[in-house]
Amino acid sequence: KQEVTQIPAALSVPEGENLVLNCSFTDSAIYNLQWFRQDPGKGLTSLLLIQSSQREQTSGRLNASLDKSSGRSTLYIAASQPGDSATYLCAVSLILGYSTLTFGKGTMLLVSP
Amino acid sequence: NAGVTQTPKFQVLKTGQSMTLQCAQDMNHEYMSWYRQDPGMGLRLIHYSVGAGITDQGEVPNGYNVSRSTTEDFPLRLLSAAPSQTSVYFCASSTEGFDQPQHFGDGTRLSIL
Repeated sequence: KQEVTQIPAALSVPEGENLVLNCSFTDSAIYNLQWFRQDPGKGLTSLLLIQSSQREQTSGRLNASLDKSSGRSTLYIAASQPGDSATYLCAVSLILGYSTLTFGKGTMLLVSP
Repeated sequence: NAGVTQTPKFQVLKTGQSMTLQCAQDMNHEYMSWYRQDPGMGLRLIHYSVGAGITDQGEVPNGYNVSRSTTEDFPLRLLSAAPSQTSVYFCASSTEGFDQPQHFGDGTRLSIL
């Protein structure tokens, strides 16, 4: 069974810092990996999707990398801002017919002014 | 374009009552799914649908029913509510599959007394 782990569970940084969130998965036969953002009391917003054949994806100050063979992904946030405060979740999709997503439990990020 | 709309936003039920959580999307997405999110457990898939008339079970389907009579709607029914079903429920949709960017609703917060 695929398991997805996110470390750390919580992270607090001052504004302006660059930071890295980690995601690991046990089954390397994934189709892709997605990073989501969840604000308190809200649903999830898709940030980046990396196909299994890709190494990284970038969107603005966000950069996500994927190392499928080692079962790891990182989400790099440059020059963090208070508005980045949220919970970040990663999810993997398996290559099995109608694949579905398996989520990690998330990293709660607080960026202080 | 409203995206994914979930109703109600909040609900309190007594043990044994039944109810239907509504989910509607106006993006003509074929793929829809229901997740529950519990503290320390992350998001877990309840049921999903790959098109009108086609549904299947996810990781935690017991106690829930679904049907998909139209592309737009994917209601989730609790047959006989139990305290263990207290959770936040999210509906999601996507165009081509669960391995594509998912669009989430804002959730239904359900308490079973």
